Amino acid sequence: KNEVEQSPQNLTAQEGEFITINCSYSVGISALHWLQQHPGGGIVSLFMLSSGKKKHGRLIATINIQEKHSSLHITASHPRDSAVYICAVRWADKLIFGTGTRLQVFP
Amino acid sequence: DGGITQSPKYLFRKEGQNVTLSCEQNLNHDAMYWYRQDPGQGLRLIYYSQIVNDFQKGDIAEGYSVSREKKESFPLTVTSAQKNPTAFYLCASSITGNTDTQYFGPGTRLTVL
Repeated sequence: KNEVEQSPQNLTAQEGEFITINCSYSVGISALHWLQQHPGGGIVSLFMLSSGKKKHGRLIATINIQEKHSSLHITASHPRDSAVYICAVRWADKLIFGTGTRLQVFP
Repeated sequence: DGGITQSPKYLFRKEGQNVTLSCEQNLNHDAMYWYRQDPGQGLRLIYYSQIVNDFQKGDIAEGYSVSREKKESFPLTVTSAQKNPTAFYLCASSITGNTDTQYFGPGTRLTVL
């Protein structure tokens, strides 16, 4: 069993829809990261959080430490949001990555 | 502009040859990392360095080697001992090696023929 599980693996949406991507983990962590990987392969860090909720533009990330669960929400989705979204947790001195959620948003 | 560069974007090599992947950063970060990404798997840590002239093995270091002679450079050599070298390789850096956000390079896709 992977220490970090993401769901769903693949997600398609129509432009404007509200998107939720989930991440569950099984180890004690000091922080959780949400990353975005574009089709070309480059990865951008979206959020780092250890409690509560963070918002940046149309993106919202939440974490529940007791339940070992985090969600990434995208409001008013747009085709440019199409990417792979990766959850990673910091455990000990390293990051453990989920396998990613591939999101496609159609106009 | 500050950032991390990796070159080349695509690299082809014959089986049995060593190959070195370049990673340079001008962010003045102390820590640098090498990851490998395979289809259907999360990124896996190959090597990391928290300071110049020091580096540690990650989870899948066998068949790889690194050096950290300068703060801004962390090249990765894929040796002939690596059984399945074809993969996408990502370099990253962070201010320190603790809880800081990691900044990723654009990656190098290595294909061994």
